[in-house]
Amino acid sequence: QVQLQQWGAGLLKPSETLSLTCAVYGGSFSGYYWSWIRQPPGKGLEWLGEISDRIGTNYNPSLKSRVTISLDTSKNQFSLRVNFVTAADTAVYYCARGLMLGPHFDYNGLDVWGQGTTVTVSS
Amino acid sequence: DIQMTQSPSTLSASVGDRVTITCRASQTISSWLAWYQQKPGTAPKLLIYKASILASGVPSRFSGSGYGTEFTLTISSLQPDDFATYYCQQYNDYRTFGQGTKVEIK
Repeated sequence: QVQLQQWGAGLLKPSETLSLTCAVYGGSFSGYYWSWIRQPPGKGLEWLGEISDRIGTNYNPSLKSRVTISLDTSKNQFSLRVNFVTAADTAVYYCARGLMLGPHFDYNGLDVWGQGTTVTVSS
Repeated sequence: DIQMTQSPSTLSASVGDRVTITCRASQTISSWLAWYQQKPGTAPKLLIYKASILASGVPSRFSGSGYGTEFTLTISSLQPDDFATYYCQQYNDYRTFGQGTKVEIK
């Protein structure tokens, strides 16, 4: 049973860097898309980006300039950094695994999620 | 960018009702669509992928259909555990979520 456990700083000041890490327990790490999604208070879900050791990274074009996702295969962890945060980055941040199926290992949604981390940006 | 539009935004229904939520894509996405259920304070849960395939462990009262730009999620007989917010997500070009549909008690 794959589980994701995430952590990181919950309170930031404007212009600081948001940094979160997600550890993968109980399953294979290689070949999957590992993703970050956020949800502002009372609002919907926003996909931030994903990383795969086989394919590389994909980022939401609207955030690409400030977002970096990296992988540490030796620890089965992946991380998110968002530079120059503002109040608009206040949200619950989730890590998640892409469901990969078929002979071509096609992405088919997000089947395992972390518990979420609340990040507040305030001066 | 592909935009996803869900309707309605809120739906009031009773236990036992048949419920349908629609998701429209701004351009064709073939069958590359997933549906999620989210309850307050918890992470979303994958219900359906590839427009119509039920994820593991999801009750059979949930079903999905559609192709191209128009998709539906149907709950055949609403149960107390189904009151939640539902999101569609396209994964044809990057990934985009719809704005959500809240299913509330009538």
